Amino acid sequence: ELKVEQNPLFLSMQEGKNYTIYCNYSTTSDRLYWYRQDPGKSLESLFVLLSNGAVKQEGRLMASLDTKARLSTLHITAAVHDLSATYFCAVDLLQMDSNYQLIWGAGTKLIIKP
Amino acid sequence: NAGVTQTPKFRVLKTGQSMTLLCAQDMNHEYMYWYRQDPGMGLRLIHYSVGEGTTAKGEVPDGYNVSRLKKQNFLLGLESAAPSQTSVYFCASSSVRGYTFGSGTRLTVV
Repeated sequence: ELKVEQNPLFLSMQEGKNYTIYCNYSTTSDRLYWYRQDPGKSLESLFVLLSNGAVKQEGRLMASLDTKARLSTLHITAAVHDLSATYFCAVDLLQMDSNYQLIWGAGTKLIIKP
Repeated sequence: NAGVTQTPKFRVLKTGQSMTLLCAQDMNHEYMYWYRQDPGMGLRLIHYSVGEGTTAKGEVPDGYNVSRLKKQNFLLGLESAAPSQTSVYFCASSSVRGYTFGSGTRLTVV
């Protein structure tokens, strides 16, 4: 059974600081997603990581994937208040019927204080 | 705008009532999904479909039924609602480029 664990689950930080959210998963997979969710809203796709060593950057966010360590990181550089949200990682697990199923982490609630 | 549309956005049901949630996508995706999201948790898969006329159970299928009569539509039914089904429901469709989510349906069962 694939388990996806994020940490921390809650993070309060000051504007201008750097921090990293970690996503560990327990079974081999080479497709990992990061999503952002604002309160009461849907999920916004941030990054799709498809191979070992993949690194993607968008603005102040950078995501990486190490499939050997089964670890992905979401790094926030010089945080700004607008990045306050809940961030989810999700891993595609290949099922017995040859279809993929997304397994989700519990989410990291990020609060950035001015 | 192209995407995934869910209706309704909000609903309050009494225990034992039935309802159907509708999901429509206009991206010609083969794969569609229904998830539920409970407070402090990630999404959990209820049912999914890999194409028109096909459905399969996900992680938490009990108490729900689905149908995919047309490629663009994926319906989620609750035959006899229970308070444990109070949740936010998200529909999604996917292609090789990734997943697209609807805006969600907030369902309360009293």
